Amino acid sequence: EAQVTQNPRYLITVTGKKLTVTCSQNMNHEYMSWYRQDPGLGLRQIYYSMNVEVTDKGDVPEGYKVSRKEKRNFPLILESPSPNQTSLYFCASSLSIGRLSTEAFFGQGTRLTVV
Amino acid sequence: AQSVAQPEDQVNVAEGNPLTVKCTYSVSGNPYLFWYVQYPNRGLQFLLKYITGDNLVKGSYGFEAEFNKSQTSFHLKKPSALVSDSALYFCAVPGSARQLTFGSGTQLTVLP
Repeated sequence: EAQVTQNPRYLITVTGKKLTVTCSQNMNHEYMSWYRQDPGLGLRQIYYSMNVEVTDKGDVPEGYKVSRKEKRNFPLILESPSPNQTSLYFCASSLSIGRLSTEAFFGQGTRLTVV
Repeated sequence: AQSVAQPEDQVNVAEGNPLTVKCTYSVSGNPYLFWYVQYPNRGLQFLLKYITGDNLVKGSYGFEAEFNKSQTSFHLKKPSALVSDSALYFCAVPGSARQLTFGSGTQLTVLP
């Protein structure tokens, strides 16, 4: 079954404690992204990756890092989380982007609370 | 820059009535447009997309969307709403080097 798997689904942490949210896809997609979802703001892209070792900033990258060492995995790293990073996070992958965009597949989401 | 707007935060409709969730777009060139749905505690799921051709696009779960170039709109529609259609709906457009740019979302509530 085609899927994007995120872990953990729920996470409560304290300010400044480094954390990683994992994302893995089994569809051999080249393109992967991280989004955060906040009420009234829709989904905003944090980082995206067009292939292994190729990543770039989205609309709200501050306070986040990513890596793409393997095609299937795209972890999101918060080196020093702050309360304003409390949000619902989604990982997504797709076969192509831009004008040739195909449908994106989303993970189940990770609800992060930073206290 | 490519963008979409969803003018309604909330839409309420009675079960069995037709529903419309509105989306307007601002893109350069020919638009590619998407609708996604988010059920409670779930990730987003693809509903349908417009690339070119027929202005009425059919998608999953009985939904369809009408593309209107003169009004720069891409409204999501369903002839007869179900309670199970209650969810958060997002219109989206592909960016130049990014996957998708989303609207702010519309919460659809279908009342029994």
